[in-house]
Parts: sequence; structure tokens; C-alpha cells
Amino acid sequence: KQEVTQIPAALSVPEGENLVLNCSFTDSAIYNLQWFRQDPGKGLTSLLLIQSSQREQTSGRLNASLDKSSGRSTLYIAASQPGDSATYLCASGGGADGLTFGKGTHLIIQP
Amino acid sequence: SAVISQKPSRDICQRGTSLTIQCQVDSQVTMMFWYRQQPGQSLTLIATANQGSEATYESGFVIDKFPISRPNLTFSTLTVSNMSPEDSSIYLCSVYRGENEKLFFGSGTQLSVL
Repeated sequence: KQEVTQIPAALSVPEGENLVLNCSFTDSAIYNLQWFRQDPGKGLTSLLLIQSSQREQTSGRLNASLDKSSGRSTLYIAASQPGDSATYLCASGGGADGLTFGKGTHLIIQP
Repeated sequence: SAVISQKPSRDICQRGTSLTIQCQVDSQVTMMFWYRQQPGQSLTLIATANQGSEATYESGFVIDKFPISRPNLTFSTLTVSNMSPEDSSIYLCSVYRGENEKLFFGSGTQLSVL
């Protein structure tokens, strides 16, 4: 059964810093890997999806990479802003099995 | 993206009662997924709802406790039956959109059981 681990569980950094969130998964036979953002009291917002055949995806200040051989993905956030404060979740899987989620990284960007 | 309307957005219920959560999608989809997020925890898949067939439940979840309906390709309901305080969670429905199977979520139902 797929297990997804996210490190660190929480992170607090000053505004403007670049930062990296880590995600590892046990089963490399994944269909895709997705990163989500969750704000308190709200649902999940899909940020980036990396298909199993891809190495990375970029959207604005966000870049996600995927290394299936090592079972790792990273989410890079450039020039962080207070509005980036949220919980970031990674999830792997796809198809009829849905996605398996990590516990998330709670990110605080200090103004 | 996908527009997914979920209601109620939150509810406070008494022990032993049942709550039905509705999920409406803006276009037809084959699979609809129901997830649970317990306080401080990540998301756990409850079941996959397929139109025209019985829902497929994950280990630890049973139909008697979480009956699901899927009357058409844009709508599904999840009922939380005979509730106890341990059922206090956020319940979310989700669907794939696009050939890449990007997963999109409704805004969730915050359930508190007293």
C-alpha cells in the first residue's frame, strides 16, 4: 500500500526566502503526483500535477520535481510571500484508486 | 478546472443521528471520490462512487456506516450514519478532470458531532 511522507511537518520562514518542501512515497509505480494547498476552513486547491513520465512542472513561483527512482518529489517556492502561508499536501496515485495523501507541511511566511 | 458544489458546508449534529452530504459537479464524470480529513490528519479515501454500480469502499469503511448514492454522472451523496464524536471530520468530494487526471475538490463539509 502506498505511503506518502512529508517533511518538514511545519516550517516558518521570513518573507522573500526561497524554500523547499519535501515529499517521499514508497511505491514508485505511480500514475501521477499532485501538490495541493489547503487554507484553514477551505477545501484543497490543486497547484501542480506531474505525470509519471515527467520530471517537473512549473507554475509562476512554484516548481515541482519528481524522481520516481528515489521515490521523492519536491515543491520549490521562490520569493515567498505572506499569502503563501497554508498547508501544502502532496499526493500520489491516480486511476480508480484515487490519491494517497501525505500529512502536509504547515507553512508560515513571516511578514 | 472543475466546479464542485458541496453542501452543507458545516453542521453540528447529535450523537446517533445521520447526515447526508451532497456533491454536485458542473459536468459529467465517471468517478467521484469521497475523502475524510480527521482533525490534524491528512486525507483518507472513504470510497469511490461510480454511476450505475455499487460504491467501492476502502479498508476500514463500510456501506452501513457510509452509504453512498450516485444517481447520475454529476451528483453523489455520502451519508454518515449513527454518528459518534469520532466522526467529527471534514468530508470532501472530488473528481478527476482532464486527461492527466488532475484531482479537484469541493469546499468540504465540516462535521462536528456532540
